[in-house]
Amino acid sequence: DTEVTQTPKHLVMGMTNKKSLKCEQHMGHRAMYWYKQKAKKPPELMFVYSYEKLSINESVPSRFSPECPNSSLLNLHLHALQPEDSALYLCASSQTVATNEKLFFGSGTQLSVL
Amino acid sequence: GQNIDQPTEMTATEGAIVQINCTYQTSGFNGLFWYQQHAGEAPTFLSYNVLDGLEEKGRFSSFLSRSKGYSYLLLKELQMKDSASYLCAVRDAGSGTYKYIFGTGTRLKVLA
Repeated sequence: DTEVTQTPKHLVMGMTNKKSLKCEQHMGHRAMYWYKQKAKKPPELMFVYSYEKLSINESVPSRFSPECPNSSLLNLHLHALQPEDSALYLCASSQTVATNEKLFFGSGTQLSVL
Repeated sequence: GQNIDQPTEMTATEGAIVQINCTYQTSGFNGLFWYQQHAGEAPTFLSYNVLDGLEEKGRFSSFLSRSKGYSYLLLKELQMKDSASYLCAVRDAGSGTYKYIFGTGTRLKVLA
């Protein structure tokens, strides 16, 4: 199994809603990542988890709250988002943060904030 | 700071060869990756360089010069399905931990 699974694939939410994005991998990877990608732009790093601990937060607003309940799961909790937060949210994983190898990406959640 | 640049768009003809360039400035270079991304889909891994030189994988090759901060992806025998965005990503250790930082991306259009 070399897949990273993200749910939901599409999400529409209002600015007062609370929602969560989910990401799962069963490759035994101990590094997991959230990226945000706007249309026609490259992915921008948001968070990195290493061995279930948050190791990088790229100054992301607190309305985005990551969580890594175990080594296979990564969540992104959303609250009071703004329309400019509409984007494709990509989850990725790698063996470890220190291992120099490729990232495995999920297919993403396309988020629209109304 | 960190800066990774690519041409915004390129157009080529089916069957041709195209070279997509990537220049980078990072404080702790630790490898360069090329990804392909079709619209609305996840990036998929194409190639990886950590030492200088050429890496060949079928129709795709990637070259790295660390002294020049330069890489290119070479696509041969172009097919229509190669129309996609191509992302150069640098693994950087400059901030004390490892990050994968993506370049601006190149949208490639392959014409019949």
